[in-house]
Amino acid sequence: EVQLLESGGGLIQPGGSLRLSCTASGFSFSDYAMSWVRQAPGKGLEWVATSAVSGTERTFSADSVKARFFVSRDNSNNTLYLQLSSLGAEDTATYFCARNSGPYGGTQGDYFDTWGQGTLVTVSP
Amino acid sequence: QMTQSPSSLSASVGDRVTITCRASRNIRSHLHWYQHKPGKAPKLLIYETSTLQSGVPSRFSGSGSDIEFSLTISSVQPEDVATYYCQQSFLTPLYAFGQGTTLEI
Repeated sequence: EVQLLESGGGLIQPGGSLRLSCTASGFSFSDYAMSWVRQAPGKGLEWVATSAVSGTERTFSADSVKARFFVSRDNSNNTLYLQLSSLGAEDTATYFCARNSGPYGGTQGDYFDTWGQGTLVTVSP
Repeated sequence: QMTQSPSSLSASVGDRVTITCRASRNIRSHLHWYQHKPGKAPKLLIYETSTLQSGVPSRFSGSGSDIEFSLTISSVQPEDVATYYCQQSFLTPLYAFGQGTTLEI
């Protein structure tokens, strides 16, 4: 069974940093692009960042988090990461890990075929 | 920009319901639908406008093209209570979602 399990969320002060992890199982992690999507309280889904398969070194991120959030992956441990920095109240959200439908990300027709249950990040003094 | 309508709707068990998603520009067929229940992982229902994801009940269907798309539930069931999102993958910004449609029974 394909599974994604996020961890690392919590309460963090404004301006702080945090690293989220997503551990994958049940599929060949290195063959898929992987993404982070977030949902602020009472709001809709917002794509955050995508990591393409290793070898391409391609990552993409939303303008709202560019230069503050960085996505990376460790294929040897089937884990996706999201490094969050310079956090503000607007970053308070549940962060979901999702598997892309293909290996490269950012391609026409790409979608998210499997999701985790999310980890909550709360930015507050 | 993806605009969904309605933002919420109430239906009775057995009703046929349709949710609409409009793109600001032509996105060809690159439109996908997700179901999200509170506290759960979002779930892919339909990809590329009309292809049903494996394991999704056949009462869900999708249609449309270019800028106008729809998700239809032919006979609403109690377990369909959720928020539904469309998402495009043709234009930048990448992976733009609609604002969501909340279905109540």
